[in-house]
Amino acid sequence: AQSVTQPDIHITVSEGASLELRCNYSYGATPYLFWYVQSPGQGLQLLLKYFSGDTLVQGIKGFEAEFKRSQSSFNLRKPSVHWSDAAEYFCAVGSHMEYGNKLVFGAGTILRVKS
Amino acid sequence: GAGVSQSPRYKVAKRGQDVALRCDPISGHVSLFWYQQALGQGPEFLTYFQNEAQLDKSGLPSDRFFAERPEGSVSTLKIQRTQQEDSAVYLCASSSTDWALQETQYFGPGTRLLVL
Repeated sequence: AQSVTQPDIHITVSEGASLELRCNYSYGATPYLFWYVQSPGQGLQLLLKYFSGDTLVQGIKGFEAEFKRSQSSFNLRKPSVHWSDAAEYFCAVGSHMEYGNKLVFGAGTILRVKS
Repeated sequence: GAGVSQSPRYKVAKRGQDVALRCDPISGHVSLFWYQQALGQGPEFLTYFQNEAQLDKSGLPSDRFFAERPEGSVSTLKIQRTQQEDSAVYLCASSSTDWALQETQYFGPGTRLLVL
């Protein structure tokens, strides 16, 4: 069965510092990978997604992620964090079902930004 | 141009009560998903509709959970005889096609259910 592991429950970074959020997945076929962000009281917003091609994917809000098949990882990065980036981040793998598809999410990483 | 909306945003129920949670997907979206997000966890899949057809309900935790989408647009998730373990945020998502994982799932803000 597909699974996603986000090893860090909480991460705190200083504003302006770089950020890397880790994600490891387990999936038998070529994975479809996603990063979502959830702010308090808000729905999940898609940051970026990877299906094929270039393993470095650019997303919104200055985020990027790199797919590494050999490590089964899809880590999210940002070179300079802003206070508004404080939120919870979820990595997900897309899973084909018999009819349609679904997302399998990790447990999330809460990002705190200190000024 | 509105996104996915859900109502109510918050619901408090006494144990044993029935509740109904509503989802209005983006207009014209074929696929509709329900997810359950327990405190401190990621969302977990409950059920999937393609238009009015419920094609997968493998994630529904018990027969107390029932979902419908009778006209292929608005969907309702009903929980009968609520239990404390049902307390969670219930998320609805929609996407424009019926199969492609490349299609983005757009999420609503969720309904936070608290069962006392």
